[in-house]
Amino acid sequence: ETGVTQSPTHLIKTRGQQVTLRCSSQSGHNTVSWYQQALGQGPQFIFQYYREEENGRGNFPPRFSGLQFPNYSSELNVNALELDDSALYLCASSFGTGNTGELFFGEGSRLTVL
Amino acid sequence: SQKIEQNSEALNIQEGKTATLTCNYTNYSPAYLQWYRQDPGRGPVFLLLIRENEKEKRKERLKVTFDTTLKQSLFHITASQPADSATYLCALSSGGYNKLIFGAGTRLAVHP
Repeated sequence: ETGVTQSPTHLIKTRGQQVTLRCSSQSGHNTVSWYQQALGQGPQFIFQYYREEENGRGNFPPRFSGLQFPNYSSELNVNALELDDSALYLCASSFGTGNTGELFFGEGSRLTVL
Repeated sequence: SQKIEQNSEALNIQEGKTATLTCNYTNYSPAYLQWYRQDPGRGPVFLLLIRENEKEKRKERLKVTFDTTLKQSLFHITASQPADSATYLCALSSGGYNKLIFGAGTRLAVHP
């Protein structure tokens, strides 16, 4: 069984640039959620994808967008990067969309915006 | 607004003792509550889930309680070990899908 994998693990961008982060969900999981974790804080929900559609969104501006592919992998795109976007971006996979249980997290992508 | 509070100060305990971590919430009626462990620079790892109609849940040395009247969960690690040193995150369900609201976490340090 393959766990959740994310890439890249670390990256540095400058303000105004765009970034794409990638996530492969755990085998058998069809739902992917993205979280942003600032230093010293808990993860904050960005959005969730199920069957290639956005299925719920947190309090993040439209410059945060995503995709889910037929193989359930997912991308998170952030446009017009700001300094406050510096954080650990976590992808979590699960099966289904109901309140049924645990999330399986990847190790995250550490984004630094200069 | 919805709020989750965990002890912001680190919890330092001696090996072999029981560690107790607290999670308080307001303006929520969560269907369930989860606890995760997070090591520095790593993703959170699921530990336990407890539903609103359950008072207590156990798994090996871990025990979670859930008091919906007090709006509080307690997380206990018995016979703690240095390897238990990590940040522990409390998370509540919100909405009809797997959206979790996380607390900021409590850092636990177990000393030999």
